[in-house]
Amino acid sequence: DTEVTQTPKHLVMGMTNKKSLKCEQHMGHRAMYWYKQKAKKPPELMFVYSYEKLSINESVPSRFSPECPNSSLLNLHLHALQPEDSALYLCASSPPAGGTTYNEQFFGPGTRLTVL
Amino acid sequence: AQTVTQSQPEMSVQEAETVTLSCTYDTSENNYYLFWYKQPPSRQMILVIRQEAYKQQNATENRFSVNFQKAAKSFSLKISDSQLGDTAMYFCAFMKRSGANSKLTFGKGITLSVRP
Repeated sequence: DTEVTQTPKHLVMGMTNKKSLKCEQHMGHRAMYWYKQKAKKPPELMFVYSYEKLSINESVPSRFSPECPNSSLLNLHLHALQPEDSALYLCASSPPAGGTTYNEQFFGPGTRLTVL
Repeated sequence: AQTVTQSQPEMSVQEAETVTLSCTYDTSENNYYLFWYKQPPSRQMILVIRQEAYKQQNATENRFSVNFQKAAKSFSLKISDSQLGDTAMYFCAFMKRSGANSKLTFGKGITLSVRP
């Protein structure tokens, strides 16, 4: 398996809902990332997990809650989102390059989120 | 901190022609990677090519090649024999090679249209 998968492809939720995004890879990568991307803009890093431990939180609001249950799976739990959180959410993973350094990131197809 | 600059927001090229996309970056690091990512209208971010800073030889991948000028901090992408499937947004990105938490720094991106 040589890809990063994300589910669902599309998600519409109300501001009071709780939902989760899922990301999976079976390439043995040990770093996994969540990005938020608005149309025609570069991805913005949200979280980084290295060896299943949260290593970077880019000051993301607490209504976004990441979870890394194992080395292949990354979740993003959503609660009480705002309409401005509507975006494409991308997951990525990287193979290790020795210690805790990594090589290039491989991206999943993304989840298009709409918050009503 | 690193910065990546893509100063051209849009370009257009005739099918079968060659086009060059520009990218400059600024860093005090000596050990790093540079990447070009492609994001077609389907929104999947795909790695096109990578260059390791310590390698003097320019990277090539089929119709894609780079002109890496380390002293000038320039990293342009040349697409030969352009195809309709090359229509996409292209992001130049920088990543430090050393240390933990390998974050990508993206440029603003350039929208490339290939005309039939």
